[in-house]
Amino acid sequence: DGGITQSPKYLFRKEGQNVTLSCEQNLNHDAMYWYRQDPGQGLRLIYYSQIVNDFQKGDIAEGYSVSREKKESFPLTVTSAQKNPTAFYLCASSIRAGISNQPQHFGDGTRLSIL
Amino acid sequence: SQQGEEDPQALSIQEGENATMNCSYKTSINNLQWYRQNSGRGLVHLILIRSNEREKHSGRLRVTLDTSKKSSSLLITASRAADTASYFCATDEGGSEKLVFGKGTKLTVNP
Repeated sequence: DGGITQSPKYLFRKEGQNVTLSCEQNLNHDAMYWYRQDPGQGLRLIYYSQIVNDFQKGDIAEGYSVSREKKESFPLTVTSAQKNPTAFYLCASSIRAGISNQPQHFGDGTRLSIL
Repeated sequence: SQQGEEDPQALSIQEGENATMNCSYKTSINNLQWYRQNSGRGLVHLILIRSNEREKHSGRLRVTLDTSKKSSSLLITASRAADTASYFCATDEGGSEKLVFGKGTKLTVNP
């Protein structure tokens, strides 16, 4: 089955620690996205990537970093500079970049909490 | 930036009733999408409507778009308990490849 796999499902971070959230897709999609969702809120875009080795900041990139070394993978690192990291993180992909009339396919999320 | 705003924030109905959710947005768009999110899960794409379309159907879903009022509505007919979820609209701001999501409507369908 094609889809997006996020791991782990739950993650705990200690003070001063960096943590990395995994996102893998086997849909052969060019574009990938990371969103943050807080309780009762919509999704806010953290970073997105249109092609391998390229990515752009979204609306709330501070305290986060990403890489796109492979088409299938788009890991998100939550750094110690992100002072309020507790949230539900969602990864998504779409077929091609630069075109707005496409659905995005989502993984089932990682819930990050502070210890 | 929050482009779409759904209304109401929460809606509770009985099985078999229709559910209507509204979305308003601020800037011009090329298309608008509706997504569904079950509790603790990712979003699932439901339907996309282009700015030159006024109405679109998919099964029990009916979406309308009024670009003059910058608003859209999602109607779920003959609702089922399994329709219980949050529903989000998402728009492209002036044709950007980025989607901007609203805060969602939480729908509860009581059996």
